[in-house]
Amino acid sequence: KQEVTQIPAALSVPEGENLVLNCSFTDSAIYNLQWFRQDPGKGLTSLLLIQSSQREQTSGRLNASLDKSSGRSTLYIAASQPGDSATYLCAVRWDSNYQLIWGAGTKLIIKP
Amino acid sequence: ETGVTQSPTHLIKTRGQQVTLRCSSQSGHNTVSWYQQALGQGPQFIFQYYREEENGRGNFPPRFSGLQFPNYSSELNVNALELDDSALYLCASSSGVSGDTEAFFGQGTRLTVV
Repeated sequence: KQEVTQIPAALSVPEGENLVLNCSFTDSAIYNLQWFRQDPGKGLTSLLLIQSSQREQTSGRLNASLDKSSGRSTLYIAASQPGDSATYLCAVRWDSNYQLIWGAGTKLIIKP
Repeated sequence: ETGVTQSPTHLIKTRGQQVTLRCSSQSGHNTVSWYQQALGQGPQFIFQYYREEENGRGNFPPRFSGLQFPNYSSELNVNALELDDSALYLCASSSGVSGDTEAFFGQGTRLTVV
């Protein structure tokens, strides 16, 4: 069964710290993986899309890596700010279908 | 801010009623997907439309149905509402059917069934 897991469910760090969010998935034959941000009660904002042939993608202070062989992706946030507080979700698309399979998210709190 | 818009933003319905949610996809996008997100969980795939045809469906009963129009906007219809249908309903648009393009989401419709 194709599943996506995000641990921890919640994370609280002081402002300015660098941090890593984790996403693990079963079945390494993924098509691509996408990281999203969700603010409370709001929709989803796409952060980074990594194709299966790529190892990492960067956007500003965000860097996402992909290791298919180990079934893991990480989202690195540099110099965290209170505005980064949100829930971060990882979603995977596998070859056999086009739907996104989601983790439950990591709720991130950046303390001023 | 993406070009995907959903309406209404909030809705309260009574158990047994029917509801229609709407989504306008981003310009140039011909694929629309719908997801249901319960509180504290990741979204669950309902179905996907490509050029007005349903081309993928998740584990949802037939009372969840949809349409995609020639301008690629879409509707999600839910009949015989149940309390467990209370959730945030998200629409995503992308270009092409191959799945290799980025999905962009609307702000969602919060449905409460009482």
